Amino acid sequence: AQKITQTQPGMFVQEKEAVTLDCTYDTSDQSYGLFWYKQPSSGEMIFLIYQGSYDEQNATEGRYSLNFQKARKSANLVISASQLGDSAMYFCAMREEFSAGNMLTFGGGTRLMVKP
Amino acid sequence: SQTIHQWPATLVQPVGSPLSLECTVEGTSNPNLYWYRQAAGRGLQLLFYSVGIGQISSEVPQNLSASRPQDRQFILSSKKLLLSDSGFYLCAWSAWELATNEKLFFGSGTQLSVL
Repeated sequence: AQKITQTQPGMFVQEKEAVTLDCTYDTSDQSYGLFWYKQPSSGEMIFLIYQGSYDEQNATEGRYSLNFQKARKSANLVISASQLGDSAMYFCAMREEFSAGNMLTFGGGTRLMVKP
Repeated sequence: SQTIHQWPATLVQPVGSPLSLECTVEGTSNPNLYWYRQAAGRGLQLLFYSVGIGQISSEVPQNLSASRPQDRQFILSSKKLLLSDSGFYLCAWSAWELATNEKLFFGSGTQLSVL
């Protein structure tokens, strides 16, 4: 079974509007961490935001926020006031407490395209 | 500060030729090291990880192998490349501590085309 599912292969958003990228996860661990990364066309992977399973508040980093709904096992990324430079692939990832090698498992990604 | 170097940036190789991709990390000790592969427009697939010198774990059986001859050096190899080995290869590191909030830091990637 997929541990990380991103159901939106591609999305468009108008510049300056907000957009939500979906992510659902599957784990039986009580302690885990959820991450979002951005991958521009250059290929580099840029860390955006982190949410711990025990964090009571949703994580925020500038224009990025994470809508964490633990009971539903979802960790959606919200980007406010989209900019043209936000056009990229976005990956949701999870690290489980007892993951071998402390590895991250990634979802299939969502390609976001910001329209001027 | 920590940095990660990965080379080459692009590589075009014929089928059946060998492969060696190298990754080095600076500014940290005893990192966990990882090789991921990304097919065009797809997600990241973990190929290998290493928690110490000479310790390699494979996640996917394949035509590739990995080695860690030094603490901060991670090498991805193949004796004979297949067409299906084409893709974008990313090296990454994280701190050795077993904490769920440890970030993964990535190299700039190698675009491998096997023709």
